[in-house]
Amino acid sequence: DTAVSQTPKYLVTQMGNDKSIKCEQNLGHDTMYWYKQDSKKFLKIMFSYNNKELIINETVPNRFSPKSPDKAHLNLHINSLELGDSAVYFCASSQMTSSGTQYFGPGTRLLVL
Amino acid sequence: KNQVEQSPQSLIILEGKNCTLQCNYTVSPFSNLRWYKQDTGRGPVSLTIMTFSENTKSNGRYTATLDADTKQSSLHITASQLSDSASYICVVSALRGHSNYQLIWGAGTKLIIKP
Repeated sequence: DTAVSQTPKYLVTQMGNDKSIKCEQNLGHDTMYWYKQDSKKFLKIMFSYNNKELIINETVPNRFSPKSPDKAHLNLHINSLELGDSAVYFCASSQMTSSGTQYFGPGTRLLVL
Repeated sequence: KNQVEQSPQSLIILEGKNCTLQCNYTVSPFSNLRWYKQDTGRGPVSLTIMTFSENTKSNGRYTATLDADTKQSSLHITASQLSDSASYICVVSALRGHSNYQLIWGAGTKLIIKP
């Protein structure tokens, strides 16, 4: 069974549209994350939720809004998509400790035209 | 400023050869250091985690070292295989108080194994 799953795997859309990416983990972890990996392959954390509470919110445009309905889900909604939003978005989960290994999903490849 | 720098940026070696990837960090207070492997088109997967008191840790053909004094870590790959072709990312965890920490990600080293 997939530990961390994301949907969709690929997303191609026009500038200005609103889109959502879903993430689910079945590992029983209490913390979930969203990362953005751009064309230079640098992973940058966007958000982190612990027990449905936002604990990390890096400098991300407020067009990006995470939503955590429960501990096993963390969805990412993006309003008014821009060309620069094109990237691979990874969801991850872990136990909330500094040594908690993060388990990553397969990524969602977003292309904004 | 907390930073993690990796070298080389990319590396090409022949199958069967050994290689060593470097990670230098300026992170304080240090909690632990982790090496991840990211295959093309997939999410990163943890290889090893090292705490302050650990100098060496092995995971199959992967051996990580940590020198907390010089703030350097290395990942040594022995007898490389084609499946080792991937990006290897160093991640350092900095403590920010009780149960609060920050992860600082390196830019990764892209390793290509040629037959």
